[in-house]
Amino acid sequence: GAVVSQHPSRVICKSGTSVKIECRSLDFQATTMFWYRQFPKQSLMLMATSNEGSKATYEQGVEKDKFLINHASLTLSTLTVTSAHPEDSSFYICSASKRRGTEAFFGQGTRLTVV
Amino acid sequence: AQKVTQAQTEISVVEKEDVTLDCVYETRDTTYYLFWYKQPPSGELVFLIRRNSFDEQNEISGRYSWNFQKSTSSFNFTITASQVVDSAVYFCALSEGGNNRLAFGKGNQVVVIP
Repeated sequence: GAVVSQHPSRVICKSGTSVKIECRSLDFQATTMFWYRQFPKQSLMLMATSNEGSKATYEQGVEKDKFLINHASLTLSTLTVTSAHPEDSSFYICSASKRRGTEAFFGQGTRLTVV
Repeated sequence: AQKVTQAQTEISVVEKEDVTLDCVYETRDTTYYLFWYKQPPSGELVFLIRRNSFDEQNEISGRYSWNFQKSTSSFNFTITASQVVDSAVYFCALSEGGNNRLAFGKGNQVVVIP
């Protein structure tokens, strides 16, 4: 199956700093990738759609200046959590699909802890 | 708007028992896709199955089986003869029109007791 790699898997940062999370599709090109957020024992919520070569599309209620998304190539999307606060602590996970209507392959996820 | 409902939050079963996870969805699109994913404690999401709205055929894969019924907007998942390794959170998800944006249900925490 297709592989999506996410890095880092865990990160601890201080309040006020920024953290960058990378999502790579290793064996296919993805013009679109997706970023989800999951709080403990809760479901996954779509944060934004990352579009290669253009601006990301954010879901309602997600601060675009807080969660910067860059999709610079067909195999890499990055999510930067800027000026992180403890309430940003969460599990962030990305996905990519080979084609429209096909299964999404997920990265391993990043557990962010802001102290 | 799309919506996925998984009513049961935590289900405990004794090993070798069967367990069925219910998933009810809402959508106004005629073209949509339904998925089931498994999330073990490690956190990664493992793809289990995909169904499009035009294919109501049920499917069996080993101990897993799925029952898709458009008449009741349901896409239920059954694990037969459960094993401890089946312990995980299972998510049902929906995407409309092939846009690959997934709306997830709340998930079912399945605990298989040896």
